[in-house]
Amino acid sequence: NAGVMQNPRHLVRRRGQEARLRCSPMKGHSHVYWYRQLPEEGLKFMVYLQKENIIDESGMPKERFSAEFPKEGPSILRIQQVVRGDSAAYFCASSPPGGKRDSPLHFGNGTRLTVT
Amino acid sequence: QKEVEQDPGPLSVPEGAIVSLNCTYSNSAFQYFMWYRQYSRKGPELLMYTYSSGNKEDGRFTAQVDKSSKYISLFIRDSQPSDSATYLCAMSPPGANNLFFGTGTRLTVIP
Repeated sequence: NAGVMQNPRHLVRRRGQEARLRCSPMKGHSHVYWYRQLPEEGLKFMVYLQKENIIDESGMPKERFSAEFPKEGPSILRIQQVVRGDSAAYFCASSPPGGKRDSPLHFGNGTRLTVT
Repeated sequence: QKEVEQDPGPLSVPEGAIVSLNCTYSNSAFQYFMWYRQYSRKGPELLMYTYSSGNKEDGRFTAQVDKSSKYISLFIRDSQPSDSATYLCAMSPPGANNLFFGTGTRLTVIP
């Protein structure tokens, strides 16, 4: 898990504020995935990105959520105007350019978002 | 109906026991099957990765896939207290960008 770095580990926001979650993939990995884990539920796919491209955002809520993976720097998951229902653990995973088939996903330790 | 069903447990066993963890699924297109272990406040850690049907063994861990029954299993032999964690099954069809996860089974191995 140490290879995929996520920060912050814990984030507290009041309703209506913005949350920014960062993810640096493992060295040599160019694919990033974001998942959300709600209490007592499994991980749910949100978005899949490569450098400067969103490949699949079918799991992203239509409003308030966005993600990017710039040419330089970490991937960012941004949640605007947070609500209590956004409280969850958000996990980032990465895979090498060969794709998921050749190398399964490696996850970071997550960011635990609490909305008060 | 959820695409992946997993008994959440909790499951408690004595040290040294054989543990059997299971998942069922509904999508016959699933071809890739994984088991992850997740310790409290940590991210999922990949344990086993199999393609299509059959068995795969790695140390004390054995993964089985029965595609005809849409059923996968993870066996842990000689269980240790350090195996206490939540075990997540995950799977996907070919070409998919995402994994479908079970809700996880919480295991406690009692010394």
